[in-house]
Amino acid sequence: QQQVKQSPQSLIVQKGGISIINCAYENTAFDYFPWYQQFPGKGPALLIAIRPDVSEKKEGRFTISFNKSAKQFSLHIMDSQPGDSATYFCAALTQGGSEKLVFGKGTKLTVNP
Amino acid sequence: GAGVSQTPSNKVTEKGKYVELRCDPISGHTALYWYRQSLGQGPEFLIYFQGTGAADDSGLPNDRFFAVRPEGSVSTLKIQRTERGDSAVYLCASSLGVSGGPGRFFGPGTRLTVL
Repeated sequence: QQQVKQSPQSLIVQKGGISIINCAYENTAFDYFPWYQQFPGKGPALLIAIRPDVSEKKEGRFTISFNKSAKQFSLHIMDSQPGDSATYFCAALTQGGSEKLVFGKGTKLTVNP
Repeated sequence: GAGVSQTPSNKVTEKGKYVELRCDPISGHTALYWYRQSLGQGPEFLIYFQGTGAADDSGLPNDRFFAVRPEGSVSTLKIQRTERGDSAVYLCASSLGVSGGPGRFFGPGTRLTVL
């Protein structure tokens, strides 16, 4: 049973465009939703995270939109750059409960110059 | 170093052999996690340590897998009688622990190949 479903599996965007990656979850006990960026041969690196008490969080070109009622959240990368080409993972966690961070299957983003 | 380090970076072994993978967490981080990442997949939870004790080992696939953290810092993931299906990247992460917030910091991983 996959607890966090991520789409699309791969995404190709032109430089300067907007990249959008979507995730959905079922477990309403989740209360922390991070996004990780992973380059080939490297471990995942925390990019941005949100808690369900806010609907949006922005850090630079990266924005998380959160829809608690739909149990969905998404990552928006504005003005996408070739250096953003990487695999992105959404994840979810219940703080103070199980410390298992549950990951989606990932989205491979390619930004063409 | 400032980040999580893992050794070796690559490990090739033969089916049936025993392997040990090491993780050095960020100094001061009390929580340590092991994940396994298969090709094209997201990281999959294996085990979580808070201090020296394994707080949750429910992700270990079977009794061939074992992990220790005897002094509450460095951890070793041990795999006995390796099988080809064990081939994956094994990731270690650390954090300040439950009281310190949920951010996990991952190491670069050990790529294990079982021939």
